[in-house]
Amino acid sequence: GENVEQHPSTLSVQEGDSAVIKCTYSDSASNYFPWYKQELGKRPQLIIDIRSNVGEKKDQRIAVTLNKTAKHFSLHITETQPEDSAVYFCAAQGGGADGLTFGKGTHLIIQP
Amino acid sequence: NAGVTQTPKFQVLKTGQSMTLQCAQDMNHEYMSWYRQDPGMGLRLIHYSVGAGITDQGEVPNGYNVSRSTTEDFPLRLLSAAPSQTSVYFCASSYGQFGGGGEQFFGPGTRLTVL
Repeated sequence: GENVEQHPSTLSVQEGDSAVIKCTYSDSASNYFPWYKQELGKRPQLIIDIRSNVGEKKDQRIAVTLNKTAKHFSLHITETQPEDSAVYFCAAQGGGADGLTFGKGTHLIIQP
Repeated sequence: NAGVTQTPKFQVLKTGQSMTLQCAQDMNHEYMSWYRQDPGMGLRLIHYSVGAGITDQGEVPNGYNVSRSTTEDFPLRLLSAAPSQTSVYFCASSYGQFGGGGEQFFGPGTRLTVL
């Protein structure tokens, strides 16, 4: 089955700086790669996603890049703000029906 | 639309007890799934369903049963609770029949403690 590795487990950045979280996946058949943000005690919420036929996608301060050859994808957050503090999860899904495989999460801390 | 709803929000069980976690969605989504979230482990898939009458196992199915008699409901049953099942349980749904259709919408979660 699919295996997703996510790094780092904790990331602390100064407010206004950029943050980058990286994930690798094992199944070359995976074709959908979402990123979820989870605040303490809340449900995961989708912030951006990318499909395997696209190399990069951007939504305001958030961008995701995908390298299918290397089987890795990354989340980029620019001009970080205090409300960006949360746990971020990457995930991958293949062409079948077997759901999302999640990374173990990155705790992003924005220092004032 | 209420989206994805789960009940109860919190539950404490004793070892060996059984219970059902309820999940319902009003978005007419074909695909529904159950995940458990443990500290440092991310979310792990327990069971999923691609439509009424069809269910299958995910990564960690042992100790859990599911059924899907309607499009709206996808209950998760714990047959004989064990302390290892202490976790936060999330139900999710998406419009794509095979789960790759796009965003999975998560319910608010059920925090389960087994003593």
